[in-house]
Amino acid sequence: DVKVTQSSRYLVKRTGEKVFLECVQDMDHENMFWYRQDPGLGLRLIYFSYDVKMKEKGDIPEGYSVSREKKERFSLILESASTNQTSMYLCASSFGDRSGTQYFGPGTRLLVL
Amino acid sequence: AQSVTQLGSHVSVSEGALVLLRCNYSSSVPPYLFWYVQYPNQGLQLLLKYTSAATLVKGINGFEAEFKKSETSFHLTKPSAHMSDAAEYFCAVSDRGTGGGNKLTFGTGTQLKVEL
Repeated sequence: DVKVTQSSRYLVKRTGEKVFLECVQDMDHENMFWYRQDPGLGLRLIYFSYDVKMKEKGDIPEGYSVSREKKERFSLILESASTNQTSMYLCASSFGDRSGTQYFGPGTRLLVL
Repeated sequence: AQSVTQLGSHVSVSEGALVLLRCNYSSSVPPYLFWYVQYPNQGLQLLLKYTSAATLVKGINGFEAEFKKSETSFHLTKPSAHMSDAAEYFCAVSDRGTGGGNKLTFGTGTQLKVEL
């Protein structure tokens, strides 16, 4: 079974703090993704990576950065957290084939006070 | 460019009744289509996917979906709802790697409620 794990299920941070969200997958997938999920808006892509050290902006990259130093690990960084970044963050991974099936982690619910 | 429209943000059915969740897509390439389910406080789990083989796709938990090119639809159905089906359902379309990385575009989701 594909396993995607995220470092925290729940996180509470203060405005202005630097926040790291980590994601690890164990299936040797080439692609990894970070989404945020908000009620009524579905899932919106923040960043994705199709190889180690490679990254591409998604639909809503402002206020976020990412790091992929190893194939299995993809980190999302909030340089200076703001209250409008309170959300559910989901990580996903997939093979580089064209089917595009993504496998998701359990999510991190982040509250910024 | 791809887009997905899910009609009805909330759907309520009685236990044992037919479940029908609607999804229409727009795609600049022949689409790959997906349905995912999300139970409370969990990530998304793949229910089924269409990748240009049979137009009627069977998934887990008794769900199926039919790809209709003429209607640009990929509606999800289940003949008889169970209480355990209560969850949020997302339809998604793949860019098939045209933009790099096999990105998925998701609909805004449909919350399914199952009543006794």
